Amino acid sequence: GENVEQHPSTLSVQEGDSAVIKCTYSDSASNYFPWYKQELGKRPQLIIDIRSNVGEKKDQRIAVTLNKTAKHFSLHITETQPEDSAVYFCAAKGYSTLTFGKGTMLLVSP
Amino acid sequence: EAGVVQSPRYKIIEKKQPVAFWCNPISGHNTLYWYRQNLGQGPELLIRYENEEAVDDSQLPKDRFSAERLKGVDSTLKIQPAELGDSAVYLCASSLGSRGYEQYFGPGTRLTVT
Repeated sequence: GENVEQHPSTLSVQEGDSAVIKCTYSDSASNYFPWYKQELGKRPQLIIDIRSNVGEKKDQRIAVTLNKTAKHFSLHITETQPEDSAVYFCAAKGYSTLTFGKGTMLLVSP
Repeated sequence: EAGVVQSPRYKIIEKKQPVAFWCNPISGHNTLYWYRQNLGQGPELLIRYENEEAVDDSQLPKDRFSAERLKGVDSTLKIQPAELGDSAVYLCASSLGSRGYEQYFGPGTRLTVT
């Protein structure tokens, strides 16, 4: 089955800095890669996703890049704000099953 | 548009007791998922439904867990009997389909087994 590795497990940045979270996946058949943000005690919320026919996608301060050859994808957050503090999960999906990484706790200090 | 609804939000039970969780997916979403999220981990799939059919239950511990999705809408996940290791957040999610469609999560049920 699919295996998703996510790094780092924790990331501390100053407000205004950029943050990058990286994930690798094992199944070359995976074709959908969402990112979820989960605040403490709340549900995971989809913030951005990318499909295998696209190399990069951007939505305001958030961008995701995908390298299918290397089987890795990354989340980039620019101009971080304290409200970006949360746990971020990457995931990869092949035919039907979504496999999640273990999460990255992002802490943005004012 | 109403999101995925789950109840209860919290449940505390003693080991060996039964417990049930309920999920109402987003209207029109024919695919429903149950995940378990342990503390500090990502969600792990327990079972996936396409309409009323369970099409992937390979990760469901069938000796104590059961699920149903009558009429292809609401779903119930049951544990009987519960064990200490079952303490986790149980998340329900839904999507329009299973092939590359966005999954939307409910708020989850936090289960504590004492």
